Amino acid sequence: AQTVTQSQPEMSVQEAETVTLSCTYDTSENNYYLFWYKQPPSRQMILVIRQEAYKQQNATENRFSVNFQKAAKSFSLKISDSQLGDTAMYFCAFPPWGGTASKLTFGTGTRLQVTL
Amino acid sequence: NAGVTQTPKFQVLKTGQSMTLQCAQDMNHNSMYWYRQDPGMGLRLIYYSASEGTTDKGEVPNGYNVSRLNKREFSLRLESAAPSQTSVYFCASSEGGTRVYEQYFGPGTRLTVT
Repeated sequence: AQTVTQSQPEMSVQEAETVTLSCTYDTSENNYYLFWYKQPPSRQMILVIRQEAYKQQNATENRFSVNFQKAAKSFSLKISDSQLGDTAMYFCAFPPWGGTASKLTFGTGTRLQVTL
Repeated sequence: NAGVTQTPKFQVLKTGQSMTLQCAQDMNHNSMYWYRQDPGMGLRLIYYSASEGTTDKGEVPNGYNVSRLNKREFSLRLESAAPSQTSVYFCASSEGGTRVYEQYFGPGTRLTVT
């Protein structure tokens, strides 16, 4: 079975600071993708960043970057220069490789609060 | 371009009642999905449709049925609602095919079964 674990239920960071959210996963596949989704209070699920396992380089999207450690099966999200609008639930998600649909397995989420 | 739309946004049912949640996407995506989100449990896949004309069970299919009406629309039906089905339901879509594509989500439906 493929699982995704987020061990930090809640985190808090001050505006303009940097925060790292952890995610570990388990799979027997060699090629796969990993995603971070953000869910603000509006409830809308928004894709933050994606990482392809066969790529050595860590993905970055503006203030968001990942630290992907394939051997350790770790996929953490770093948010730099945190803003109040980053307050949200963050979910790590992992789809199995192959098949004809990108089914996702989600972690239980980390609630991030950005404070003044 | 509306993306993924869901109706209704909120619904209250009594135990034993039935209802259908509607989902539509205008991105010409092949694959569509239904998830439920419960507190402390993340999102769990109920059913998915890899392409028009096909549907498959996900992690938690019991008590639900789905219909892929056409390429755009994918509905979720609760035949006899139970309090355990109180949840937030999300529909999503992706391009599909053998490559893995990110999913795009609708705004969700909050369902309460009393």
